[in-house]
Amino acid sequence: AQKVTQAQTEISVVEKEDVTLDCVYETRDTTYYLFWYKQPPSGELVFLIRRNSFDEQNEISGRYSWNFQKSTSSFNFTITASQVVDSAVYFCALSEGWDYNKLIFGAGTRLAVHP
Amino acid sequence: EAGVTQFPSHSVIEKGQTVTLRCDPISGHDNLYWYRRVMGKEIKFLLHFVKESKQDESGMPNNRFLAERTGGTYSTLKVQPAELEDSGVYFCASSLGTALAKNIQYFGAGTRLSVL
Repeated sequence: AQKVTQAQTEISVVEKEDVTLDCVYETRDTTYYLFWYKQPPSGELVFLIRRNSFDEQNEISGRYSWNFQKSTSSFNFTITASQVVDSAVYFCALSEGWDYNKLIFGAGTRLAVHP
Repeated sequence: EAGVTQFPSHSVIEKGQTVTLRCDPISGHDNLYWYRRVMGKEIKFLLHFVKESKQDESGMPNNRFLAERTGGTYSTLKVQPAELEDSGVYFCASSLGTALAKNIQYFGAGTRLSVL
């Protein structure tokens, strides 16, 4: 069965702290994609990253970095030197197969960054 | 380029009434998806259109929900009659239909539906 677990419901940090959001997934497919989306207070889901199951390279984009480990079925997201503007709900999602299939979401992690 | 737009942003109706939600995808996107998030739970898939055809409607909860995408442009999701458990946020997403586009789904801000 496919499933995405984000065990951290809420995280609260002070500005400039580093924070890691955890994501663990379950799938029987060997081909799949993993995503992270950000939902700011305005409500829309903003795409952050997509990673396919054959690419375990970690990725860094500015203050954001992602650690994909198939051995532990995890796709964790780290924000370095957090800022107040990072406050949002972050969703991890899974899509199976090569086709344009549905996204299976985790419950989301609400991140609050305080000045 | 305009993003995915959804109307209305918020709808409050009484149990038994009908509500129609609308989604305008990004221009040129063949794939259109509906999802919803019921209070405190995960965002769940409802259905997927490729142009005007329903590709996957496995997530539609029951026959009170009807989705259409006439002409392969905008889509509507009608709930008739609405029940209390239909309350939540309904999201629409769209993606290009090419391998190069990598199936990145772009989401709208959602419609918050409150059934009283």
